[in-house]
Amino acid sequence: SQQGEEDPQALSIQEGENATMNCSYKTSINNLQWYRQNSGRGLVHLILIRSNEREKHSGRLRVTLDTSKKSSSLLITASRAADTASYFCATRWSGGSTLGRLYFGRGTQLTVWP
Amino acid sequence: NAGVTQTPKFQVLKTGQSMTLQCAQDMNHNSMYWYRQDPGMGLRLIYYSASEGTTDKGEVPNGYNVSRLNKREFSLRLESAAPSQTSVYFCASSEPWGTLTDTQYFGPGTRLTVL
Repeated sequence: SQQGEEDPQALSIQEGENATMNCSYKTSINNLQWYRQNSGRGLVHLILIRSNEREKHSGRLRVTLDTSKKSSSLLITASRAADTASYFCATRWSGGSTLGRLYFGRGTQLTVWP
Repeated sequence: NAGVTQTPKFQVLKTGQSMTLQCAQDMNHNSMYWYRQDPGMGLRLIYYSASEGTTDKGEVPNGYNVSRLNKREFSLRLESAAPSQTSVYFCASSEPWGTLTDTQYFGPGTRLTVL
């Protein structure tokens, strides 16, 4: 499968703690993106990291990318109950006939308890 | 600015019935997509349209057809619904791949049940 695979499938933490989710993929990529999905809603883009970048920050989010290991991690610092959602990584291949496609993983379900 | 809108929000069909899911975006994006989301499967691409006038198959196109009506609208048609098409369907739009911002913007989804 070309999909990224998130790990863990589910994560449960207390408010104020940090949450770390990982994504592994199989092919060379142009970029990797993280999305959030609240229950019953559409996906919302969080952050994009390109293949020539190693780390990126956006507010309480920190994303790292290791192309040699074909993996990425999403760190949410000081989690809040409102961060409860599913988080998906999506990869864009760097070539081939799949121009325009993003490949989504199965997601990590994050629950943040008050 | 509504972003990406989808209609209907919910639909129940009987096996063999047909229906069209509608999607529209007001962000002037060139590219549009239809995904389905099943439990434990993540999102799978059904069809996409890189630009007005073009459509291409994704990972799971069987049983579906699409129409890129104009730059704003991209519809998905089930000609003869089957229980295996029970899913949540998402439409998305983006600037073309290779642009500085090729992130996708999603609609709220259509929950379809086929009995």
